[in-house]
Amino acid sequence: AQSVSQHNHHVILSEAASLELGCNYSYGGTVNLFWYVQYPGQHLQLLLKYFSGDPLVKGIKGFEAEFIKSKFSFNLRKPSVQWSDTAEYFCAVTDSWGKLQFGAGTQVVVTP
Amino acid sequence: GAGVSQSPSNKVTEKGKDVELRCDPISGHTALYWYRQSLGQGLEFLIYFQGNSAPDKSGLPSDRFSAERTGGSVSTLTIQRTQQEDSAVYLCASKNDLGDTQYFGPGTRLTVL
Repeated sequence: AQSVSQHNHHVILSEAASLELGCNYSYGGTVNLFWYVQYPGQHLQLLLKYFSGDPLVKGIKGFEAEFIKSKFSFNLRKPSVQWSDTAEYFCAVTDSWGKLQFGAGTQVVVTP
Repeated sequence: GAGVSQSPSNKVTEKGKDVELRCDPISGHTALYWYRQSLGQGLEFLIYFQGNSAPDKSGLPSDRFSAERTGGSVSTLTIQRTQQEDSAVYLCASKNDLGDTQYFGPGTRLTVL
């Protein structure tokens, strides 16, 4: 069975600080990896995804993630956060049928 | 076009009552998924429909939960004899055949008193 582990449940940082959210997965086959974001009062939105090719993927709003196969990791990064990045972030992996297995989520609070 | 829509946005019910939650996927999307988001369990997969194939019900937590998809479009998730632990946000997502991204609806917040 596959699983997804997010290292931090709650992160508080100031505007302009750099953000890195850890994600590790456990799955024996080929994986498709995603980061979704849920802004306060809004629905889940895709930030970025990795299927194959360049392991460094860029998403919306200046986010990027790096797939490191040897470490089973897919960490999310942003060099300089803004107050509007306050949200909950979910790492997820899909099986061959496309069912998403989510991590527990990381609540990120950016203070002005 | 429009995104995934769900109704109602909020539902409050009494323990023991049945509820129906509706999902309208993006037009043309053949795959439809239901997930549940709750405080204790995070985001969990419930059920998956793909075209006319038999649904994958492996995530349904009990036989009180069922879902159907009519005409390959609208889906209804039914919870019978609701319990307080069913309180959660129920999310629907859809995806087209060629795509790899699921698009989520706003969810239905279910509160069982």
